[in-house]
Amino acid sequence: GQQLNQSPQSMFIQEGEDVSMNCTSSSIFNTWLWYKQDPGEGPVLLIALYKAGELTSNGRLTAQFGITRKDSFLNISASIPSDVGIYFCAGPTNFNKFYFGSGTKLNVKP
Amino acid sequence: DTGVSQNPRHKITKRGQNVTFRCDPISEHNRLYWYRQTLGQGPEFLTYFQNEAQLEKSRLLSDRFSAERPKGSFSTLEIQRTEQGDSAMYLCASSLVGGVNEKLFFGSGTQLSVL
Repeated sequence: GQQLNQSPQSMFIQEGEDVSMNCTSSSIFNTWLWYKQDPGEGPVLLIALYKAGELTSNGRLTAQFGITRKDSFLNISASIPSDVGIYFCAGPTNFNKFYFGSGTKLNVKP
Repeated sequence: DTGVSQNPRHKITKRGQNVTFRCDPISEHNRLYWYRQTLGQGPEFLTYFQNEAQLEKSRLLSDRFSAERPKGSFSTLEIQRTEQGDSAMYLCASSLVGGVNEKLFFGSGTQLSVL
């Protein structure tokens, strides 16, 4: 089946620091979606990417669609306590069935 | 646009009982997905519909699981003869496909606990 590997698995950072996480797949994707999930809630869409090399921002968040189409990166600048949560990447197979990575858990110390 | 709605939010049941969850997608979204999520894992694909047609069902899904989307609007997921291993968060997502880049929007999920 489809393999999506996210790293790191968890991060402990100080408020104000920048964060970077990535996702790699075993096959080529034409879409990358990035989500944030709070405990007991469903994932919330942060950024969607549709073209290789695309760089898209959403406030302090920036994501990039890797040139190889097998990876994507999410950066968070000047982290704040409410950034705490689990971040997931997702991408579709040829049949548009979306697979998810296992997540990067972000902890921010005030 | 009221977002994806899932009911109930929480369900506690005894092993062997049947449970049914409901998902109301974003109106006019033609695709609807069901995922299952356990602690520390990402959402795991279960099945999806385009309009009322069920396009694929995960091989991980036993025959005790069935999903319907009778009129291409809301969907139900039923688990028969529940087992403790069925305990998880069940997530529904909807999207609009056809001429637009697809984005999945999730509901808040139904947390199932099987005792």
